[in-house]
Amino acid sequence: DVKVTQSSRYLVKRTGEKVFLECVQDMDHENMFWYRQDPGLGLRLIYFSYDVKMKEKGDIPEGYSVSREKKERFSLILESASTNQTSMYLCASSGRTDPHEQYFGPGTRLTVT
Amino acid sequence: KQEVTQIPAALSVPEGENLVLNCSFTDSAIYNLQWFRQDPGKGLTSLLLIQSSQREQTSGRLNASLDKSSGRSTLYIAASQPGDSATYLCAAGGYKLSFGAGTTVTVRA
Repeated sequence: DVKVTQSSRYLVKRTGEKVFLECVQDMDHENMFWYRQDPGLGLRLIYFSYDVKMKEKGDIPEGYSVSREKKERFSLILESASTNQTSMYLCASSGRTDPHEQYFGPGTRLTVT
Repeated sequence: KQEVTQIPAALSVPEGENLVLNCSFTDSAIYNLQWFRQDPGKGLTSLLLIQSSQREQTSGRLNASLDKSSGRSTLYIAASQPGDSATYLCAAGGYKLSFGAGTTVTVRA
């Protein structure tokens, strides 16, 4: 079974803090994704990585950066957390070849106060 | 840009009734259509994936169909159970997916 894990289920941070969200997958997938999910807005793609050290902006990259130093690990960084970044953050991975089925982690509920 | 719509946003059915969940998408040039289940406060669980060359996929009580030409997919859940209560999301695309907002299902015992 594909397993995608995220470092924290719940996280509370203060405004202005630097926040790291970690995601690890064990299926040797090339593609990894960070989404945020908000009521009424659905899932929105923040960043996507298709290989080690490779990244591509998603629909809402502002205020975020990412790091992919190893194939299995994809980190989302909030350089200076703000209250409007309070959200559920979901990581996913998929293989490079068809059918690109995406597998999700359990999510991190981040609250910025 | 791909727009994915799921109607209704919520539905409630008595146990044993068959569920029909609808998903529509605006750009028919997709590689696959994936259905997910999400329980409150949890991540997404992949239920079924239909590739563009396929018309349907089945897994147990679940059956999903795909009509690319009309931009529609339907998820059928037979003989619903209270444990089927969850939010169901569809997503269309290729290596990147566009998600619908989901249909929240309540199955009443």
